[in-house]
Parts: sequence; structure tokens; C-alpha cells
Amino acid sequence: EAGVTQFPSHSVIEKGQTVTLRCDPISGHDNLYWYRRVMGKEIKFLLHFVKESKQDESGMPNNRFLAERTGGTYSTLKVQPAELEDSGVYFCASSRGGTGGGNGYTFGSGTRLTVV
Amino acid sequence: RKEVEQDPGPFNVPEGATVAFNCTYSNSASQSFFWYRQDCRKEPKLLMSVYSSGNEDGRFTAQLNRASQYISLLIRDSKLSDSATYLCVVNWGAQKLVFGQGTRLTINP
Repeated sequence: EAGVTQFPSHSVIEKGQTVTLRCDPISGHDNLYWYRRVMGKEIKFLLHFVKESKQDESGMPNNRFLAERTGGTYSTLKVQPAELEDSGVYFCASSRGGTGGGNGYTFGSGTRLTVV
Repeated sequence: RKEVEQDPGPFNVPEGATVAFNCTYSNSASQSFFWYRQDCRKEPKLLMSVYSSGNEDGRFTAQLNRASQYISLLIRDSKLSDSATYLCVVNWGAQKLVFGQGTRLTINP
């Protein structure tokens, strides 16, 4: 079984530019999550999709961040315009439908975003 | 108060030693608890779930005290390969996970 795939693995952009991160979950996983870790801080939840629907987007920091999961397969996370404080590692994770309580998560290897 | 609090370390211990990590959480409604391991520049990977009765997986033992909202991890006979950051993770609501800042462990030969 292929794991959770994230692209790109690294991205360096200038402040004010736009960046789009992509996540391909494990095939058949209805739940897809975005998390991020900024320098010196803990990993924090951004949002949760169930298929194509946003189940919980309480962790999205502001309206410069837009997540989509058209068709309930892969997801994109766009940051527009990027700010310096957006630098960090963005992790995607997926789990099967019907799993609750945070069980069954598999994380991708992350996208390291640097805004200069 | 942080939602999940851990001693960030670093812990530096000799190979073969026993080391213990602790963690406290603030949400009394949480139902699931985990220890994850994260190697440098890698993704978090589940080490073990934590149950109220306590559970063991080889050299690793996890304990949960719901009354005190406290979780522990014990590593016996530590190996060089145990060097990593250990993340205390608690579920918050249906599917959301809340992470502690992590405890960095280095096992020295």
C-alpha cells in the first residue's frame, strides 16, 4: 500500500508570492488532515476533510490559507499571499472512514516551506 | 496552559539505560492517547497507543492516569536507534490530534 504522498518536499518562495502544496492520501482513506509545525512550536492541526467536505477547519490561521479536496481524492493547500510566519513544515495525514478518536493516522513526509 | 505539555529535554542517556517521559493534558474529555516518534526531518510515526490499563510493546511501556490527566512512556534497555523526538499526542474531539512539543532523546554509546 502506497503511503501518504506530499509534493513538493521543499519550497522556498518570497513574501507575497503564492504557494500550493499537494497531498495524496492513501487510496480509499476518506479522512484527510493538514497539520503544520512552525519553528520551535508543536505540530498544530489545520483542518480535516471527510471525502470532499471540510469537517473541521478550526485550525486554519487566516483567510490567506485555502484548502480544497475536489472529488474527495487528493487535497491542495494554497497560501496566498505568503508571509514570513508561514514558514514551517506542513504535514498531511489520512485515515480510513469510520475510524475515530484519532486512530489510524498515517502521516506524509511533509512539505518544508520557507518564506523569505 | 498548553493543551499538551511535555518536558522538551534534551535527555542524554547511555545505551542500556532506562528512561521515562511524562506528559500532561488539559482536556478531560479526551478519549485517545498516543506516543509518536519523530526522527530528524521526518514525519511523526505512531509508536504506541496508550490505554488506561497500561500497555507494553517490547521495551516500551505506556501508562495513562485519567484522574491526573497524565501520560507516561518508559523505555527500557535503550538502544542507539531509540534516539529521536517523542511526541505525546491526545485526541481533541472526533478526529483532531493535539501534539505536545516533543521530548528529544539521545542515546549515547
